[in-house]
Amino acid sequence: GQNIDQPTEMTATEGAIVQINCTYQTSGFNGLFWYQQHAGEAPTFLSYNVLDGLEEKGRFSSFLSRSKGYSYLLLKELQMKDSASYLCAVPNNYGQNFVFGPGTRLSVLP
Amino acid sequence: DADVTQTPRNRITKTGKRIMLECSQTKGHDRMYWYRQDPGLGLRLIYYSFDVKDINKGEISDGYSVSRQAQAKFSLSLESAIPNQTALYFCATSDFQSSYNEQFFGPGTRLTVL
Repeated sequence: GQNIDQPTEMTATEGAIVQINCTYQTSGFNGLFWYQQHAGEAPTFLSYNVLDGLEEKGRFSSFLSRSKGYSYLLLKELQMKDSASYLCAVPNNYGQNFVFGPGTRLSVLP
Repeated sequence: DADVTQTPRNRITKTGKRIMLECSQTKGHDRMYWYRQDPGLGLRLIYYSFDVKDINKGEISDGYSVSRQAQAKFSLSLESAIPNQTALYFCATSDFQSSYNEQFFGPGTRLTVL
């Protein structure tokens, strides 16, 4: 089976940097996804990691360590609009569908 | 225009009623999914389909059924709605041939069962 853990809530200040962690357990690995979801809206794709290391995309970066079953999403220069839930997801053993973590709700304060 | 649409966007129904949620996509993707989202539980997969003739159960399929009427349409039915099916329902699509096979979500349907 698969299990994904994320912190439930985080708070940070506008302009700061925040790191959202995700740990996963899976018998097979086909990459890890991060999605952003504003309250009441659809999740939107942020990043995908399949190899170890850091993937940078503007203010957002995502890191993966396959040996540790660990990933994080790094958000720099936080803006109020970054207040949202951030979902970590891994495809199942056959890559057919995703298992989503419970999500981390980030609040950015002025 | 939205690539993945869901109808209705909001629905209130009573226990025991049959209800259908519809999803359409113009992305030309072959794969379609239905999820429900509950506070604190994240997104959970109900059913998924890789083409018109392919239907697969997800993690929580009991009490639900689906129909893939065409490549672009995937409907979710609740045969006899019960209050614990109150949730936010999302349809999603993906393209097997894409680099990441990431999923694209519709705007969601908020369902309340009284």
